[in-house]
Amino acid sequence: EVVLTQSPGTLSLSPGERATLSCRASQSVTGTYLAWYQQKPGQPPRLLIYGTSTRPTGIPDRFSGSGSGTDFTLTISTLEPEDFAVYFCQHYGSSLPYSFGQGTKLEIK
Amino acid sequence: QVQVQQWGAGLLKPSETLSLNCTVNGGSLSGFFWSWIRQSPAKGLEWIGEMTQSGSTNYNPSLKSRVTISVDTSKNHFSLRLTSVTAADTAVYYCARGSYNYSYGRVWGQGTLVTVSS
Repeated sequence: EVVLTQSPGTLSLSPGERATLSCRASQSVTGTYLAWYQQKPGQPPRLLIYGTSTRPTGIPDRFSGSGSGTDFTLTISTLEPEDFAVYFCQHYGSSLPYSFGQGTKLEIK
Repeated sequence: QVQVQQWGAGLLKPSETLSLNCTVNGGSLSGFFWSWIRQSPAKGLEWIGEMTQSGSTNYNPSLKSRVTISVDTSKNHFSLRLTSVTAADTAVYYCARGSYNYSYGRVWGQGTLVTVSS
């Protein structure tokens, strides 16, 4: 089973700053099958990135994903007030079972 | 706009069977990957299983002996059954529609809190 470890656990930043979130896999993620989600309290996760770096329609371009192998990154270029939430990574598409990271909480400094 | 709606019993006793359904408004069940995922404070987000666009299923080995994922295309329902529940199965359960090729969660249901308690 692929174990995903996200860091940091909590990230304290101010609006306008740049956020860099990490997701490290215990073994190489086949292909580019890595997704990122945003979750706010009381809501389901919202897809931000799939295929490591592809944004679905409607996701602002301040969100970007990168990485390969075992190291993946979600970058938010300029934080907006609505971006403060919990972020999860997930691998999918191969190596069952698919799994999620434990999350990074992005909080206002 | 595609919306996923889910429903099912929210309070169960130990040893009972969890049964949840979901459907899609403004879209189709067919031709997509569908997943069930649950979330609890203890385990975080946990992938339960998927149905591929061809109708085959894959399950998390930790739950495989108790889980059945199925689809009823005549009713446009995607379903989850989990037998012999315990307190450890208490969680918010989500269904999610993926893409044509993969089961990342492109569109999520609103979630159903299932509590297992005697």
